[in-house]
Amino acid sequence: QVQLVQSGAEVKKPGASVKVSCKASGYTFTSYYMHWVRQAPGQGLEWMGIINPSGGSTSYAQKFQGRVTMTRDTSTSTVYMELSSLRSEDTAVYYCARVSEQWLPAGAFDIWGQGTMVTVSS
Amino acid sequence: QPVLTQPPSASASLGASVTLTCTLSSGYSNYKVDWYQQRPGKGPRFVMRVGTGGIVGSKGDGIPDRFSVLGSGLNRYLTIKNIQEEDESDYHCGADHGSGSNFVVVFGGGTKLTVL
Repeated sequence: QVQLVQSGAEVKKPGASVKVSCKASGYTFTSYYMHWVRQAPGQGLEWMGIINPSGGSTSYAQKFQGRVTMTRDTSTSTVYMELSSLRSEDTAVYYCARVSEQWLPAGAFDIWGQGTMVTVSS
Repeated sequence: QPVLTQPPSASASLGASVTLTCTLSSGYSNYKVDWYQQRPGKGPRFVMRVGTGGIVGSKGDGIPDRFSVLGSGLNRYLTIKNIQEEDESDYHCGADHGSGSNFVVVFGGGTKLTVL
């Protein structure tokens, strides 16, 4: 079945970087844009950016410009989100989410990964 | 870009109905909004997309017929009839805006639905 499986929880020190993976299966990986969304404890959802798994092009939320990098590996159907210069406010669950329509960057997020908890603490 | 506003909480009795509201900021009355359900300790789950004409496309997998949507002016509504215990969740609305390097997705703050 169609699913996104993310890497496990991470604990990082302030100033470090974290790289979260999201492995897709059950569909043609390169046909659907992927987004990253995060959720701090007790808070709402926050959009981080988007990657086109076909060509690798990206677009990031202004808040994360310069700190986030999204990449993909078509050989393993995996997208990655790396966040650098971590601070305590980055403590959150990070989700990858697939757009429901092929070839379109915009649209509903119909498939979500299970989430990856990233804790930033000294 | 639009701002989405949701009341922080709502409640309804078992078997009753409730309508949740997501309000777009002025000037964005033609925007579609996506509703997501997030059960305690779980990730978000797509419910359905709504525009001024009602549902856009199909409901998410496994979403029961008790869930429906309407759109009017700046408001996008999610109605749940015959509320069940498993409907107790946070409900988020989201919308996309722009294109290319100006593309963004915005979310409301979420509404926590309590089933009494």
